[in-house]
Amino acid sequence: DAKTTQPPSMDCAEGRAANLPCNHSTISGNEYVYWYRQIHSQGPQYIIHGLKNNETNEMASLIITEDRKSSTLILPHATLRDTAVYYCIVRVHTGNQFYFGTGTSLTVIP
Amino acid sequence: DTGVSQDPRHKITKRGQNVTFRCDPISEHNRLYWYRQTLGQGPEFLTYFQNEAQLEKSRLLSDRFSAERPKGSFSTLEIQRTEQGDSAMYLCASSRGQGENQPQHFGDGTRLSIL
Repeated sequence: DAKTTQPPSMDCAEGRAANLPCNHSTISGNEYVYWYRQIHSQGPQYIIHGLKNNETNEMASLIITEDRKSSTLILPHATLRDTAVYYCIVRVHTGNQFYFGTGTSLTVIP
Repeated sequence: DTGVSQDPRHKITKRGQNVTFRCDPISEHNRLYWYRQTLGQGPEFLTYFQNEAQLEKSRLLSDRFSAERPKGSFSTLEIQRTEQGDSAMYLCASSRGQGENQPQHFGDGTRLSIL
């Protein structure tokens, strides 16, 4: 599975959009991009995933570049409850395990 | 979905004791995973079941660790002769089998502390 690179930490003002980047330059054609977040003392929470098209759900939007070497998770209106560690993961669609890395610690500031 | 349930949430034990954790996956999810997470790190894969069959094990799963999933429903993870280095959060996840890109859904874990 391809490795991912994320900034270790980011801040975002409450009510503004949070844009979390992820580089996955070695991604191959059959690898999906998944995003999870983890709030302290809880298990990882699934947010969204995609292969090559942009995706949107009730939690976030996922923008994948045309060459698929990077992606951005967008939280459109960040709230204090969005403060968490965000993990970007790429995985072969037949793979059984996720490689989490150390993620991006997002702090939403009032 | 009622979510993945793990029990207990916290376990404190003395070094050398055996411990067992339980995971109840989301109903109708035939795939079940165990991960371990230490402070400041992301979760690390330990093992994977499809129904009752254990299909994959990480090198992290030493001989002191054993996992079972009888009847393809709940799963247990046992650690024998615990060591200080076993202190961690143990996470369970489950997913549907249909569609290989199905996301894994995690429980809130069992935090193990070895005295």
